[in-house]
Amino acid sequence: GENVEQHPSTLSVQEGDSAVIKCTYSDSASNYFPWYKQELGKRPQLIIDIRSNVGEKKDQRIAVTLNKTAKHFSLHITETQPEDSAVYFCAASILGGTSYGKLTFGQGTILTVHP
Amino acid sequence: DSGVTQTPKHLITATGQRVTLRCSPRSGDLSVYWYQQSLDQGLQFLIQYYNGEERAKGNILERFSAQQFPDLHSELNLSSLELGDSALYFCASSVGGGRAPGELFFGEGSRLTVL
Repeated sequence: GENVEQHPSTLSVQEGDSAVIKCTYSDSASNYFPWYKQELGKRPQLIIDIRSNVGEKKDQRIAVTLNKTAKHFSLHITETQPEDSAVYFCAASILGGTSYGKLTFGQGTILTVHP
Repeated sequence: DSGVTQTPKHLITATGQRVTLRCSPRSGDLSVYWYQQSLDQGLQFLIQYYNGEERAKGNILERFSAQQFPDLHSELNLSSLELGDSALYFCASSVGGGRAPGELFFGEGSRLTVL
């Protein structure tokens, strides 16, 4: 089955700096790669996603890049703010296949943004 | 509010006991997913149902079982509970069980503490 590795496990930055979180996946059939943000004691929420037919996607201060050949994708957060502090999870899935959209998550990255 | 409802929010029980966690998906969502979140294990996929049928199974213990009812709500049954079963159990739902757009909507979770 799919295996997703995520690094780093913790990331500490100063407000205004950029943060980058990287993930690799094992199943070349995976074609959907979402990122979820989980604040302390809350549910995971989707912040951005990318499909395998796209190399990069941006939404204001966040962007995701995908390298299908290398089977890795990254989350980039620019101009970080204290409210960006949370746990971030990457995930991989196969849309349209027999796995019916099951997400396999990475282990998570605890991002701390210091004011 | 994601539209996914989970009950109970908190549950404290003893080893050897059995509990049932309940999930109501978003209106119109046919697919329900169960995830277990322990401190050191990230979000582990347990099982998925689509329109009443089991579609995918993760590393779900034999002591655990689930079902999805005709009204699409789902229940996760945990029996012969052990200390290590203490975790946050999330239910998530999606539109078509693997078709676009692929986003999973998570409930607020049920926090199980086994003493």
